[in-house]
Amino acid sequence: EAGVTQSPTHLIKTRGQQATLRCSPISGHTSVYWYQQALGLGLQFLLWYDEGEERNRGNFPPRFSGRQFPNYSSELNVNALELEDSALYLCASSPGDGDEKLFFGSGTQLSVL
Amino acid sequence: GDSVTQMEGPVTLSEEAFLTINCTYTATGYPSLFWYVQYPGEGLQLLLKATKADDKGSNKGFEATYRKETTSFHLEKGSVQVSDSAVYFCALRENYGQNFVFGPGTRLSVLP
Repeated sequence: EAGVTQSPTHLIKTRGQQATLRCSPISGHTSVYWYQQALGLGLQFLLWYDEGEERNRGNFPPRFSGRQFPNYSSELNVNALELEDSALYLCASSPGDGDEKLFFGSGTQLSVL
Repeated sequence: GDSVTQMEGPVTLSEEAFLTINCTYTATGYPSLFWYVQYPGEGLQLLLKATKADDKGSNKGFEATYRKETTSFHLEKGSVQVSDSAVYFCALRENYGQNFVFGPGTRLSVLP
C-alpha cells in the first residue's frame, strides 16, 4: 500500500512568485491536513480538508490557500511568496471516520530566495 | 486556544539510559493525546496515543500516561537505544471537529 506522497520534493522560488504543492493521500483516506514546519519550530497547522470541503484553517494569511479534489488529493497554493515562507510543508492523511491516526508524507521543502 | 508545551531539547543520552520527555497541554475539554516521532530522513509517524484520563499508551518500549489532573502526557522509556534518536512531538486533538495541535518537538540523540 502506497503511503502519503508529496510533490515536488524540493521547490525553489523567488519572492513574489506563487508555489503549488501537491499531496496524494493513502487510498481510502478522505481527510488531508497541511502543516508548515519552519526551521527550529514545530508543526504549525495550515489547513484541513475532508470530503472535498475545508474543515478548519490555521492562523495564516489568505495567500495560503488550497483545495481537495474528488479523488481526495490536495493542493496547497502560496501566493506572493515571502522569504519567511521557506519551510518544510507536510501533508498528512487520515481515514476521516473518527480514526485519529495521521499518516504523514515526507514533505516539500520550499525555499524562497 | 489549545496548545502543547514540550521540554526543550536537544536531549542527549547514553545507550540504555532512562528517558523522560515532558509534555503538558492546555485544552478546554478532554482531548485525545498523541506522541509522534520523526526519524532522520523520514516522515512523522504515530508512536502512541491515549484517548481518556488514566489511559496508558505504549509502543516499542515507550509509554505515556494521560494525566488529567496535571494536564500532562510525559513520554518515558526505560532503556533507550541509538536507533531511538529522532525528534519527538507531543500532540492533542480536542474532538473530531478540531485539527491536531502539535508541540514544538524535542530532539533526542542517543550515543553508543
